[in-house]
Amino acid sequence: SQKIEQNSEALNIQEGKTATLTCNYTNYSPAYLQWYRQDPGRGPVFLLLIRENEKEKRKERLKVTFDTTLKQSLFHITASQPADSATYLCALDMVSGGKLIFGQGTELSVKP
Amino acid sequence: NAGVMQNPRHLVRRRGQEARLRCSPMKGHSHVYWYRQLPEEGLKFMVYLQKENIIDESGMPKERFSAEFPKEGPSILRIQQVVRGDSAAYFCASSPSGPVLNTEAFFGQGTRLTVV
Repeated sequence: SQKIEQNSEALNIQEGKTATLTCNYTNYSPAYLQWYRQDPGRGPVFLLLIRENEKEKRKERLKVTFDTTLKQSLFHITASQPADSATYLCALDMVSGGKLIFGQGTELSVKP
Repeated sequence: NAGVMQNPRHLVRRRGQEARLRCSPMKGHSHVYWYRQLPEEGLKFMVYLQKENIIDESGMPKERFSAEFPKEGPSILRIQQVVRGDSAAYFCASSPSGPVLNTEAFFGQGTRLTVV
C-alpha cells in the first residue's frame, strides 16, 4: 500500500543545535517533494521544493535532501532558534493529478 | 497583495445542518485545492478545481460533499447534513498554474468546522 511517514515522535532540541526531520514514503514515485511549516491554528507555509534529480537543496538555515533510491527526504534546520518551533510537513508532488500527498507532520520544539 | 482568504475562520453547525466554506484564491490564481485536516492527522486532498471546472475530486466523500469554483466569486465547499465526523480544519490552497507542479501552493488560514 502507499504510505508517507514522518517522525512520529515530537522532536525536542536545544537552541543552536541542528534539527533533522525524516520523511519516508513507499509505493509512490514523486517528481518533487515539498516541505511546509505549520503553526497552531494556521495554514501551511511553503519552505522548500526539491526535484527528483536533485540530491540537495539549501535556503538560508534550511537544507533538504532527496534520495529516490531510499525513498527518503531529510530536512535540516541548522543553528535552530525557539522561533523555529512548529510542525513541519513533507508533501509529495505527484505530477499527475494536481494534488499534494502530505505526511502527518513532525512537531519540533526548540528550547532556549 | 492579499493571500488566500477563507471564511469563516470558525463555523459551528448542529448535526444535520449544512456548512458552506468559502475560499478566495490569491489574485491571478485560477487553480484551487481543498484539503481536510482531522485532529492528529495530516492534510488530506479533497478536490482540485479551476474556474467552472472540477479537475480532480478523487478525495471527496461520495455523499454530502460538493465543491464549485464559479466564473465570478469564491470557491465554495459545501457539506450537507453534517455529522460529528465532519469536524475538522478545512484548508484551501491556490496556485498560479496547475496542477501543483514545480511550484508552491499558497494556503489559507483554514476554516475550523465543529459539529455539535
